[in-house]
Amino acid sequence: DADVTQTPRNRITKTGKRIMLECSQTKGHDRMYWYRQDPGLGLRLIYYSFDVKDINKGEISDGYSVSRQAQAKFSLSLESAIPNQTALYFCATSDFLAGGDTQYFGPGTRLTVL
Amino acid sequence: SQQGEEDPQALSIQEGENATMNCSYKTSINNLQWYRQNSGRGLVHLILIRSNEREKHSGRLRVTLDTSKKSSSLLITASRAADTASYFCATDERDDKIIFGKGTRLHILP
Repeated sequence: DADVTQTPRNRITKTGKRIMLECSQTKGHDRMYWYRQDPGLGLRLIYYSFDVKDINKGEISDGYSVSRQAQAKFSLSLESAIPNQTALYFCATSDFLAGGDTQYFGPGTRLTVL
Repeated sequence: SQQGEEDPQALSIQEGENATMNCSYKTSINNLQWYRQNSGRGLVHLILIRSNEREKHSGRLRVTLDTSKKSSSLLITASRAADTASYFCATDERDDKIIFGKGTRLHILP
């Protein structure tokens, strides 16, 4: 079984809809991250969490919110989806006790907003 | 804010040749990492080099770091078709965030 899983893997939705992307990990890591990837722009950090009670905005948090329901779960919500949020979304984890820098990525969620 | 920037953006080489890609960054770092991404998949960590290290090896990978020039290079020796992927450098920032570059797309020709 994969250590970092994301659901759904693909999603097509309409403008204005609320969407939730979920991430679960079995690695026991304390830190979790959400990134989006657009062609030619690399990965950009949306939100990150260093612990269950810790939530931090990243580079591009506008239009997104997150919830860290448990150490193993970190969900990303688009309250009212818009077409320019069409992208590939990745969840990642890292382990503070191991230095915290090496990140382990999920398989990604491809989101299309029409 | 983009910290690392890879060069070239794209690279095509013959199988068996060596591939070199570079990363430049702007501010001081504690470490620099390289990741690989196969098309449409999650990134996979390749190697981490700390600011007090100048060179590091892992299998066919060789990474160098020049903190005076704020640059790093990734060398893949004896390339294989399976090395076709995008390669990203990532640097640490304040607040323990990791910032990724835009990547180099490597294509190994048969």
